[in-house]
Amino acid sequence: GDSVTQMEGPVTLSEEAFLTINCTYTATGYPSLFWYVQYPGEGLQLLLKATKADDKGSNKGFEATYRKETTSFHLEKGSVQVSDSAVYFCALAELSGNTPLVFGKGTRLSVIA
Amino acid sequence: KAGVTQTPRYLIKTRGQQVTLSCSPISGHRSVSWYQQTPGQGLQFLFEYFSETQRNKGNFPGRFSGRQFSNSRSEMNVSTLELGDSALYLCASSKVDSQETQYFGPGTRLLVL
Repeated sequence: GDSVTQMEGPVTLSEEAFLTINCTYTATGYPSLFWYVQYPGEGLQLLLKATKADDKGSNKGFEATYRKETTSFHLEKGSVQVSDSAVYFCALAELSGNTPLVFGKGTRLSVIA
Repeated sequence: KAGVTQTPRYLIKTRGQQVTLSCSPISGHRSVSWYQQTPGQGLQFLFEYFSETQRNKGNFPGRFSGRQFSNSRSEMNVSTLELGDSALYLCASSKVDSQETQYFGPGTRLLVL
């Protein structure tokens, strides 16, 4: 079945550091890819998405590019802030069959001043 | 536009009791999905409803059930609660089906004592 693998956390960075959170996927079809963020005590918020190969999703300084050849969707940000501290989830949804979102296990990011 | 709302936000129950959680989707969204989030298992899909019909179901015991009303509001029920049912229960809505962007509510945190 479909699956998403994220790098293990936690990740601790200093403010203004560069962030990369790796995400790779296995899918039978041609999925849409998502990054969701969960702040402490809250639900999930959509951060960005991409629906086809080479698409780049971006939002709030975060970017991720849909790489079909490497089945990856790595999240990057050039300069993190303390307010970016949260848990980040990579997820996929197949285009057909009304299958549910498949999530990675999440990566906790802590940014220190 | 109002987001996904879930009630109650927090709940404490004892083993053997049952519980009903409620979810109101974004206006115009017809698909509602439920997820269980625990530290050990991460985010696991429970079920999805569309037009009052369960369209997809995850790998949970029959104690977990749900329904959707004609106004797209959804409820999930857990009977004969077990300690392991303690979790954050998240509801997500999308316009038609799961490959579209799903928007999450803040969740209901259930503690079973």
